[in-house]
Amino acid sequence: DAKTTQPTSMDCAEGRAANLPCNHSTISGNEYVYWYRQIHSQGPQYIIHGLKNNETNEMASLIITEDRKSSTLILPHATLRDTAVYYCIVRVLRGGSQGNLIFGKGTKLSVKP
Amino acid sequence: GAVVSQHPSRVICKSGTSVKIECRSLDFQATTMFWYRQFPKQSLMLMATSNEGSKATYEQGVEKDKFLINHASLTLSTLTVTSAHPEDSSFYICSARRSTGREQYFGPGTRLTVT
Repeated sequence: DAKTTQPTSMDCAEGRAANLPCNHSTISGNEYVYWYRQIHSQGPQYIIHGLKNNETNEMASLIITEDRKSSTLILPHATLRDTAVYYCIVRVLRGGSQGNLIFGKGTKLSVKP
Repeated sequence: GAVVSQHPSRVICKSGTSVKIECRSLDFQATTMFWYRQFPKQSLMLMATSNEGSKATYEQGVEKDKFLINHASLTLSTLTVTSAHPEDSSFYICSARRSTGREQYFGPGTRLTVT
């Protein structure tokens, strides 16, 4: 079972920041937080990951709370092409089944003009 | 990011026939490859994990004799759906990971329709 909880859906206006929350209250000390997104009928796309520090790349920022029990993915200027299902996943960085990416239901983000 | 390809992108087959789907990592060596299945309006479900040169590890409830996985090289894994039935119609997605990589890259998916 997925170890994260996300809202089922969210709307965001084009050009505004999209803030997608994720709850992972049972996260272990060696588990990373990963974010992927899936645009309709395509394979998932890696966005970002982090352990405890905030992370930023060309796609998004990841803010992880100090207790690591929740995080927020931020798309700073959402565009219509960001409409997708966003998955928050926790995993350890090791081989074996514990390192597998297990997908929950994700958040369907709809960016509206 | 790294590129993972799948072939074919779409396939329609008749019930009882077998279908092979290829997954290739184009610009990196993938020590581990994964196969997922996704039914309409549902999330991805992990079917099996394979390491190059060894037998695949199947998730609970996935029939290993029906979904044959071969990871013959560091850049190629194949999934063969044997004796396909309409209930096997789904979106099959492969994924690949380097031995040292923290990211896991996904292919574009293969839409299988069994008539």
